[in-house]
Amino acid sequence: DGGITQSPKYLFRKEGQNVTLSCEQNLNHDAMYWYRQDPGQGLRLIYYSQIVNDFQKGDIAEGYSVSREKKESFPLTVTSAQKNPTAFYLCASSTSTDSYEQYFGPGTRLTVT
Amino acid sequence: KNQVEQSPQSLIILEGKNCTLQCNYTVSPFSNLRWYKQDTGRGPVSLTIMTFSENTKSNGRYTATLDADTKQSSLHITASQLSDSASYICVVRGYNTDKLIFGTGTRLQVFP
Repeated sequence: DGGITQSPKYLFRKEGQNVTLSCEQNLNHDAMYWYRQDPGQGLRLIYYSQIVNDFQKGDIAEGYSVSREKKESFPLTVTSAQKNPTAFYLCASSTSTDSYEQYFGPGTRLTVT
Repeated sequence: KNQVEQSPQSLIILEGKNCTLQCNYTVSPFSNLRWYKQDTGRGPVSLTIMTFSENTKSNGRYTATLDADTKQSSLHITASQLSDSASYICVVRGYNTDKLIFGTGTRLQVFP
């Protein structure tokens, strides 16, 4: 899991509530990413940030929001607009000096009922 | 459309046996290909990374091969151990981008 931490490991929320997932890295990486993993599917990119105070939508950004106020932190908010939020969420970081090798955190499993 | 397909979807083998996992991709132009191991409920961990000019790369009992002409890669696991039970994900990066394209993975189970 390298120097990337995600918290909490398990998260339970009621439908209609926003929830924020934490991701912190101490690898001094410029870029950070959020992915969603569902059974039988490959990882799908939600949002990514290549530099502080800047981020871009990935393939499935609807219903999610992010911020990048510090290099070390890239929190993801799952809003009530996300129609199917229950999933395993993975955060990653990378540096352009390492062939963009992405290092993943341990993940957060979110369950919304 | 850029895609990465893996086979088989799942595989069961006995401890000590060898196995080979396959990955076909359509990503073009191509920069590099990685194999990740993901234990259940954990984040993926990189096993190997290969550029288009590399044919094979080893990491202990794991050996990855790449044929950039046919756009195929394989991951060979030698003398499997119970701890090899995991999902193995093939990931391709296109040229001049940091975005990755993920396969759906092969779920390997090693039984004693």
